[in-house]
Amino acid sequence: DIQMTQSPSSLSASVGDRVTITCRASQSISNYLHWYQQKPGKAPKLLIYTASSLQSGVPSRFSGSGSGTHFTLTISSLQPEDLASYYCQQSYSTPNTFGQGTKLEIK
Amino acid sequence: EVQLVESGGDLVQPGGSLRLSCATSGIAVSINYFTWVRQAPGKGLEWVSVIYSGGSTYYADTVKGRFTISRDNTKNTLYLQMNSLRAEDTAVYYCARVEGTPYGPLDIWGQGTMVTVSA
Repeated sequence: DIQMTQSPSSLSASVGDRVTITCRASQSISNYLHWYQQKPGKAPKLLIYTASSLQSGVPSRFSGSGSGTHFTLTISSLQPEDLASYYCQQSYSTPNTFGQGTKLEIK
Repeated sequence: EVQLVESGGDLVQPGGSLRLSCATSGIAVSINYFTWVRQAPGKGLEWVSVIYSGGSTYYADTVKGRFTISRDNTKNTLYLQMNSLRAEDTAVYYCARVEGTPYGPLDIWGQGTMVTVSA
């Protein structure tokens, strides 16, 4: 199985800050990497698909990059409504494993 | 509007069985790929199972041999039959649509249904 490792596990930042979350795969997954946002008590929501494509309706302050084994999710200017947990997921092979998540708090 | 609505979550004893349903509207289960994802209380997301449009199914090792994913094309409903339940199966279970291809992202999610396994 492909292991997905996210860092950091938690993060505290101020409104307006640039935030970067990293996801590493235990083997190459090409660009079959997706990012999800989960707000407390809610279902996850797709933010970025195939590493760098912005899902329709998602604010442009979210962006993704990477390929192979190293990927990043960047929020260019943190907003209060970005309080959430963020997960990466690989769809290169089953089981389509998730990273352990990054909990983002607003200072 | 495309929508997924899960149901069937309940409190069940260890060793018991439960069947979850995921009713779809606006999309056909027969020509799409669907996944079950679960989330234990206070924990992260765990991929559980997938069913492809052609009928192929795959499972996480943690549920293989105990859980079965299936669909009813006439009812446009996805199912997860869960047998030999364990305490560690306690979680919110989400169904989600895999967009486009087997390599696609999970673009539509249900609201989740809670399964509690406890004596």
